[in-house]
Amino acid sequence: AQSVTQLGSHVSVSEGALVLLRCNYSSSVPPYLFWYVQYPNQGLQLLLKYTSAATLVKGINGFEAEFKKSETSFHLTKPSAHMSDAAEYFCAVIQGAQKLVFGQGTRLTINP
Amino acid sequence: DTAVSQTPKYLVTQMGNDKSIKCEQNLGHDTMYWYKQDSKKFLKIMFSYNNKELIINETVPNRFSPKSPDKAHLNLHINSLELGDSAVYFCASSQELGWQPQHFGDGTRLSIL
Repeated sequence: AQSVTQLGSHVSVSEGALVLLRCNYSSSVPPYLFWYVQYPNQGLQLLLKYTSAATLVKGINGFEAEFKKSETSFHLTKPSAHMSDAAEYFCAVIQGAQKLVFGQGTRLTINP
Repeated sequence: DTAVSQTPKYLVTQMGNDKSIKCEQNLGHDTMYWYKQDSKKFLKIMFSYNNKELIINETVPNRFSPKSPDKAHLNLHINSLELGDSAVYFCASSQELGWQPQHFGDGTRLSIL
């Protein structure tokens, strides 16, 4: 069954620095992959999705992710962190064509 | 207008009580979901409905009963609440089943005393 693993439960970067949040997937078929963000006391908001159209996917708020089949990875990046990026980030995969399965989440902290 | 709205936002109650959480979406989507997020932020699907038909029931205790009166609503009723039910419950919707992105409500924080 398809699954995702997020490496690092907590990532801390300085404002203006590169953000890199790691996600590896496990799937025997081409996966549908997503990144969601959760701000405090809010629901999840879609950042971007991979549906096999292009390996480099651009999302909202300056985030992007690259699908690398050889590394089974779908890491999320942003060139320059803003204070407003502080949140919980979830990688997710569609399992069995029906069910969204989430990684354990990565809390991103931005230092001034 | 809020796309996916849940009520109430907070629910504090005693063990053994019965409570309901309501969810409504105004996106015209066919599919709705309930998720549970535990204290470690882990998110797990509980149920999904497509056109009012139950599609996914993820080994949730039968004290939890979802009800979908129409495509725009998916309510969650919980009987005989237990301490372990304390969590944040999220409702979500998508255009259809499968790879379509899901839109989430802001959650209902359930606290059992």
